[in-house]
Amino acid sequence: QVRLQASGPGLVKPSETLSLTCSVSGGSSSRHCWTWNRQPPGKGLEFIAYICNDGNTNYNPSLENRVTVSADTSKTQISLQVTSVTAADTAVYYCARLAIPPSGTYHVHDYWGQGILVTVSP
Amino acid sequence: DIVMTQSPLSLPVTPGEPASISCRSSQSLQRSNGDNFLDWYLQKPGQSPQLLIYLGSTRASGVPDRFSGSGSGTDFTLKISRVEAEDVGVYYCMQAHQAPRTFGQGTRVEIK
Repeated sequence: QVRLQASGPGLVKPSETLSLTCSVSGGSSSRHCWTWNRQPPGKGLEFIAYICNDGNTNYNPSLENRVTVSADTSKTQISLQVTSVTAADTAVYYCARLAIPPSGTYHVHDYWGQGILVTVSP
Repeated sequence: DIVMTQSPLSLPVTPGEPASISCRSSQSLQRSNGDNFLDWYLQKPGQSPQLLIYLGSTRASGVPDRFSGSGSGTDFTLKISRVEAEDVGVYYCMQAHQAPRTFGQGTRVEIK
């Protein structure tokens, strides 16, 4: 069973760096990518970035200059860093696995973590 | 970025009755091979989103057959043939045709 668990501080001060880790168990191969999305309170979902097990990365241009996504060598710890945070970065942050489904031709979010609320406040 | 627009944003439904959600994209999501790079996700209350539909019309593993997706190009529809109480939540369409991936605003489905 694939399991993703996001962890990190729930409170970050403005102008500091938000750092989260997604721990993956039960399903990681060269075919998979890992994505971070976020959801501000009461709002919709926003793509942040993804990293594939072959090292390929992709970032949302609106956040690209503040965001870094990385993975450890075993591809079981996926990290997200967002620098110079403001109140607008307050959100539930989700990590998810991207995989190509049966008869599919692109990666879809097939497993999601439970989400972690990060609040930016003094 | 491709803008995804859903309607309605709120949908009260009666159990056993059908329901339909529309999703429109600002650019075509269809590739030259005919594939439409469009997903539907359901976020149940207090839970993470879950995949329902990909390629615009293919149900994900384990998704009940009362859910169906249709459409092509810029206009897509998610239909629930007979709504059940467990279907409440927020439904999102998402395009994977062009980076960055973008989601619709969400449609909240609730029981009348």
